[in-house]
Amino acid sequence: IVLTQSPGTLSLSPGERAALSCRASQSISSGQLAWYQQKPGRAPRLLIFGTSTRATGIPDRFSGSGSRTDFSLTISRLEPDDFAVYYCQHYGSLPLSFGGGTKVEIK
Amino acid sequence: QVHLQESGPGLVKPSETLSLICIVSGQSINDIFQWAWIRQPPGKGLEWIGSVFRGGGTFDNASLRGRVAISVETSKNQFSLRLTSVTAADTAVYYCARGGVAAGLRNVFDYWGQGTRVTVSS
Repeated sequence: IVLTQSPGTLSLSPGERAALSCRASQSISSGQLAWYQQKPGRAPRLLIFGTSTRATGIPDRFSGSGSRTDFSLTISRLEPDDFAVYYCQHYGSLPLSFGGGTKVEIK
Repeated sequence: QVHLQESGPGLVKPSETLSLICIVSGQSINDIFQWAWIRQPPGKGLEWIGSVFRGGGTFDNASLRGRVAISVETSKNQFSLRLTSVTAADTAVYYCARGGVAAGLRNVFDYWGQGTRVTVSS
């Protein structure tokens, strides 16, 4: 499954809403899509699994939605700590794959 | 507290074999269904390399054309990656990661090592 993320870069100000897209080349069963956040020089951190379930400790300003081939991650009000790169990953079957990432940068 | 730590040479010559280990602490390696290697070329996105499963079975990314070998050393609570015939395209930060505990989340990576940078150059 090929995952295409858009936009490549999102330039926003703190307090604004971020909407990230992840499109799959074929339907992802049972909503088995995850999102990760990566900051420079750091390992990725799991944010969301099962399309919309937040991982432990993830604040509720992060939300995920979608089904079949179209998924999205929304950050309701950007905080300074949220500026990072976000990756989606399908996990319903092997081989696993990640999207190319969306960078959320400070405008 | 689960902790993963990658270890291995930072420089590998072209055509040689890249060998890394991931030392797991705070968790018995046998308690988890899947352990994985993931890499990230400079300035690029994440690429799943392959995984080793409880019982020793493995599955790797076909794009790496059979150059991958992943194994577990239970007695040392670690798992390893060997990537043969490397080229400059294999230059990347290599991460090891843990698959989730719940049955439906085994292919979701909830703990990651800090990553180790490997450069392929003569």
